[in-house]
Amino acid sequence: DSGVTQTPKHLITATGQRVTLRCSPRSGDLSVYWYQQSLDQGLQFLIQYYNGEERAKGNILERFSAQQFPDLHSELNLSSLELGDSALYFCASTLAGTGYNEQFFGPGTRLTVL
Amino acid sequence: EDKVVQSPLSLVVHEGDTVTLNCSYEVTNFRSLLWYKQEKKAPTFLFMLTSSGIEKKSGRLSSILDKKELFSILNITATQTGDSAVYLCAVPNTNAGKSTFGDGTTLTVKP
Repeated sequence: DSGVTQTPKHLITATGQRVTLRCSPRSGDLSVYWYQQSLDQGLQFLIQYYNGEERAKGNILERFSAQQFPDLHSELNLSSLELGDSALYFCASTLAGTGYNEQFFGPGTRLTVL
Repeated sequence: EDKVVQSPLSLVVHEGDTVTLNCSYEVTNFRSLLWYKQEKKAPTFLFMLTSSGIEKKSGRLSSILDKKELFSILNITATQTGDSAVYLCAVPNTNAGKSTFGDGTTLTVKP
């Protein structure tokens, strides 16, 4: 158990809908990272927050957004969902914002868009 | 754009065999390379490498980095069925937290 929690575990929804994925980092960690893992692709970095501020951005679609709250939990919002958004979404956390060291991954949220 | 390429994509061996997984990279301002193991759930950390030629070891697993030739290898000796997993290589970008992951090597160890 990495200490990172993610809810929900599974999510099934329809195209065009909007969902929110939630992540709580390890106690004391200030940085949260979001990744998407599709069946035919590796882990794709989406976005990073550090102490409430956006720190780095990857290939995140405009339909996706995220934020980190004062209690350091983070939410990833996915809207106008498409079939291709079906994937495992992981969040990871670290103490610092640099990302050079190991990241601690949550168990993931499996999103299925029908 | 940063690039991380792992090979082979897939490997099937028998228990007791030794395997070598490869990771090559092209990144600007390299700082570290990390190996993770993913067993149908979240990736878990194995090694972080920052210096060339210094082997990191943990039990039957070991890894080494070559910063001149821009690659790393992960060795697993005396493989066990529990080693079956996807092994991921990641290289963080100097732009804060942006890490580039390879597509992974899927290792299957048969009894």
